[in-house]
Amino acid sequence: AQRVTQPEKLLSVFKGAPVELKCNYSYSGSPELFWYVQYSRQRLQLLLRHISRESIKGFTADLNKGETSFHLKKPFAQEEDSAMYYCALRDGGFKTIFGAGTRLFVKA
Amino acid sequence: GAVVSQHPSWVICKSGTSVKIECRSLDFQATTMFWYRQFPKQSLMLMATSNEGSKATYEQGVEKDKFLINHASLTLSTLTVTSAHPEDSSFYICSAGGTGGNEQYFGPGTRLTVT
Repeated sequence: AQRVTQPEKLLSVFKGAPVELKCNYSYSGSPELFWYVQYSRQRLQLLLRHISRESIKGFTADLNKGETSFHLKKPFAQEEDSAMYYCALRDGGFKTIFGAGTRLFVKA
Repeated sequence: GAVVSQHPSWVICKSGTSVKIECRSLDFQATTMFWYRQFPKQSLMLMATSNEGSKATYEQGVEKDKFLINHASLTLSTLTVTSAHPEDSSFYICSAGGTGGNEQYFGPGTRLTVT
């Protein structure tokens, strides 16, 4: 069965500290993986996708098929990074499954 | 980027009544739209996939007779919650795009409160 697991509901770090939001997935085929972000009182928006292998707002995520992980990382957290982050998996069609989300709180 | 709108943004209705929520793609055509439900402090749960000109595909456990979906045009999908009950109170979010490798765009959501 398809599943996306984000083990941390809340992650609190100090400004300037490294951040890693964990995401593990379960899927039998070759999925597309995404990270979405939802800032306070704003709609959900795409942060990055694994196929583009790009860095957005300093965030990167590498797909590790061996560990079935797609952790989101940023070397130096900023206060404006505080938001809800969702890891998502899209199957060969277009159905997208979301993880439970991790709330990142960056302290000054 | 593409914009998806929802109307209304917030609705309160009495138990037993029906509520219609609209989802529009404002600057692109969407043959497929998705409806999600989000409970407080929980993730988005896919309810159904709305296909223009054909029947929606519902996820397991979602009552198709309770949540009626109509996708009459390439820019509009509607979700009607029929005979609403307090347990239907939730945040309903639609999205469009996301097929063929394209990005999925989300609407701002509609908060439904059933009293």
